[in-house]
Amino acid sequence: EDQVTQSPEALRLQEGESSSLNCSYTVSGLRGLFWYRQDPGKGPEFLFTLYSAGEEKEKERLKATLTKKESFLHITAPKPEDSATYLCAVQPTGGATNKLIFGTGTLLAVQP
Amino acid sequence: GAVVSQHPSRVICKSGTSVKIECRSLDFQATTMFWYRQFPKQSLMLMATSNEGSKATYEQGVEKDKFLINHASLTLSTLTVTSAHPEDSSFYICSARASGRTGELFFGEGSRLTVL
Repeated sequence: EDQVTQSPEALRLQEGESSSLNCSYTVSGLRGLFWYRQDPGKGPEFLFTLYSAGEEKEKERLKATLTKKESFLHITAPKPEDSATYLCAVQPTGGATNKLIFGTGTLLAVQP
Repeated sequence: GAVVSQHPSRVICKSGTSVKIECRSLDFQATTMFWYRQFPKQSLMLMATSNEGSKATYEQGVEKDKFLINHASLTLSTLTVTSAHPEDSSFYICSARASGRTGELFFGEGSRLTVL
């Protein structure tokens, strides 16, 4: 069964304290892995898509990496405005086009 | 990035009434839209896939007569929660993919439904 597990469930950082969020996945075949940011009471905001192991993408203080079993979202020198829930989702091959399986997210709190 | 708009953002209704939620792609055409449901501190769960001009495809366990989906145009899909009950209270989110683009799904702002 296709599955996505994110850890930790919650993470509290001091401003400037870099860290990483983990997304482990089990799929028969991976079409793509997605990272989203979700603020309270809002829909997810697209961050990155990764397609193959070894791929990396960066946006401001965020960097996403992918291996055959997991993805990391690295946050460098975070600011309070980076506080949000970060969701990971995988798009398996063989299923309906663009059907995503989401993890439960990591709630990140960055304190000034 | 592409913009997906949902309306209403919040709705409160009485048990037994029906509620319609709209999802619009504002700056692109979406042949396919997706409806998700999210409970507090839980994953987004796909409810159904909405295809323009055809019947929606529902995920296992989702009642198609309860959650009516209509995708009448390339920019609009609607979700109607019929005869709503308190257990239907949830956060409903739609997403859409621009025609011709792979991978990226853009999400609406979500609609918070509270059934009294």
